[in-house]
Amino acid sequence: ILNVEQSPQSLHVQEGDSTNFTCSFPSSNFYALHWYRWETAKSPEALFVMTLNGDEKKKGRISATLNTKEGYSYLYIKGSQPEDSATYLCAFKGPNSGYALNFGKGTSLLVTP
Amino acid sequence: NAGVTQTPKFQVLKTGQSMTLQCAQDMNHEYMSWYRQDPGMGLRLIHYSVGAGITDQGEVPNGYNVSRSTTEDFPLRLLSAAPSQTSVYFCATVGGRDYGYTFGSGTRLTVV
Repeated sequence: ILNVEQSPQSLHVQEGDSTNFTCSFPSSNFYALHWYRWETAKSPEALFVMTLNGDEKKKGRISATLNTKEGYSYLYIKGSQPEDSATYLCAFKGPNSGYALNFGKGTSLLVTP
Repeated sequence: NAGVTQTPKFQVLKTGQSMTLQCAQDMNHEYMSWYRQDPGMGLRLIHYSVGAGITDQGEVPNGYNVSRSTTEDFPLRLLSAAPSQTSVYFCATVGGRDYGYTFGSGTRLTVV
């Protein structure tokens, strides 16, 4: 079982604030790092799949960076909106784990108007 | 395009009862998997399959059985339900190692 840590556990920001959270994972035997957005009463939806050190991906106001040498990824949300309220999950995949993902516990984000 | 369909959405079982959670996908993906979500924990892999006729255990397989007779369907069977199996169950599929998972809508199971 590979240890994937996410911080903070929860976050409460005001509409318009920019925010970021961290995912830490084993720096050895890396294959891919996934980010998912999980709204209450819905199913997780894939945001990004990152495989290369230094990768930076962007989808609208959300972006993510990847540092495989030190074992961390950051997720950034610029100008948070109430509809960004969700739990953000990261998941690690090693080269020998086939398709299986090891998920972190998630960061719960609440954006209030 | 339905993606991944899970049934039922909610279920209450008595201890010792058995049931099957259904998962069907129309994405023609070889890989399918079952995860459970418990409070304060990350999604944990129960069983997975890399194609019809092939299944394997994940992190928490005890008390669960799976089979994969077709590419589309991957049912999860609870043989004798226990309160520890109270959880939210997700079926997920993926088209390749460099792609994100597509999840079903989940089944909330309570065992009393």
